[in-house]
Amino acid sequence: DGGITQSPKYLFRKEGQNVTLSCEQNLNHDAMYWYRQDPGQGLRLIYYSQIVNDFQKGDIAEGYSVSREKKESFPLTVTSAQKNPTAFYLCASSIRVGTEAFFGQGTRLTVV
Amino acid sequence: RKEVEQDPGPFNVPEGATVAFNCTYSNSASQSFFWYRQDCRKEPKLLMSVYSSGNEDGRFTAQLNRASQYISLLIRDSKLSDSATYLCVVNPPNTNAGKSTFGDGTTLTVKP
Repeated sequence: DGGITQSPKYLFRKEGQNVTLSCEQNLNHDAMYWYRQDPGQGLRLIYYSQIVNDFQKGDIAEGYSVSREKKESFPLTVTSAQKNPTAFYLCASSIRVGTEAFFGQGTRLTVV
Repeated sequence: RKEVEQDPGPFNVPEGATVAFNCTYSNSASQSFFWYRQDCRKEPKLLMSVYSSGNEDGRFTAQLNRASQYISLLIRDSKLSDSATYLCVVNPPNTNAGKSTFGDGTTLTVKP
């Protein structure tokens, strides 16, 4: 089935550790995105990528890093520099920026 | 002023009611618009695109008013299953101008 897959669904991290969230899509989409959502809040854009080997900072990129070495994959690393990383992280993809985006099921990250 | 603003919620309506949400945007050159539905602790799912001529899908109607810079979502004959948060999305005028902007969402609760 075509779709976008995030893993893991739940993740626990100790303070001071880096952690990488996986996002894979087999929709042949050029654009991919990472959003963060806090309880009762809207989506905030962390990073986005319009094409392989290119990515741009979103509104809240500090403390995060990404790579886009393959069209299908857009992993997000939450670094120890992110002071409040506990949140729901959503990955999405679209044919190109500005078209309908489709989301993965999300990863809930908790810092313990 | 936020780039995209939605009606503050929550909206609490009885089954069978008609309810409408608005979403205003600040960039008059915005090109494409979407409505998403997000259930509690789930990922957003595309509900419908918003075209200049309006768009209807069963009980749902989306409209665009470029002169006043807002989009709307009308739900007729509300069902209990319509209870969710509805997010509007506004896209920039071209693929190089940036990324989609999500509204913070409007929460709808349909009661028996």
